[in-house]
Amino acid sequence: DTGVSQNPRHKITKRGQNVTFRCDPISEHNRLYWYRQTLGQGPEFLTYFQNEAQLEKSRLLSDRFSAERPKGSFSTLEIQRTEQGDSAMYLCASSPDRTNYGYTFGSGTRLTVV
Amino acid sequence: ILNVEQSPQSLHVQEGDSTNFTCSFPSSNFYALHWYRWETAKSPEALFVMTLNGDEKKKGRISATLNTKEGYSYLYIKGSQPEDSATYLCARSYIPTFGRGTSLIVHP
Repeated sequence: DTGVSQNPRHKITKRGQNVTFRCDPISEHNRLYWYRQTLGQGPEFLTYFQNEAQLEKSRLLSDRFSAERPKGSFSTLEIQRTEQGDSAMYLCASSPDRTNYGYTFGSGTRLTVV
Repeated sequence: ILNVEQSPQSLHVQEGDSTNFTCSFPSSNFYALHWYRWETAKSPEALFVMTLNGDEKKKGRISATLNTKEGYSYLYIKGSQPEDSATYLCARSYIPTFGRGTSLIVHP
């Protein structure tokens, strides 16, 4: 296992377009988290899954944001009708279902909306 | 304290100096406190996960302490090296909430 993989690494899109990012977690990790990070800020929690169940989605930034993890393995984060304010680094992390384990992060997807 | 707060925001030290940072967090409904190290162009890397009041953890020259009753954790780096230059993040879980981080630059 090579860790948490995120694709693409970089995405440039025009305002108003839809974008989708993919995260492949460590295979034995059943928890998966999505974060957004902007300059000068720490990672901002968006949503998380335990297996295929999305257990917290109230912090998704607007109804333009949605996430899925259909088979409890990889996950996708979609942003519809992108706005310039959506430009950020989108990070994915995974962890086992145990208290004393840290999260393993992917390298992130850098989104630029022009 | 409503959010996770870290101080200082940035720190410049000379190689060989020892340094420490603070993470303050809401003490109610505590679950766990994480520390991460984030180097430029890399993924955040987990350093410590602490759950018990009074916990102390150590990894090489880096150590951390936890006070859940008063809601703070300290991260210490002994004998800083240029390769320690990174942003150090703390997060309070169950739903992980991160601070803004402390940016450390170690000058040779």
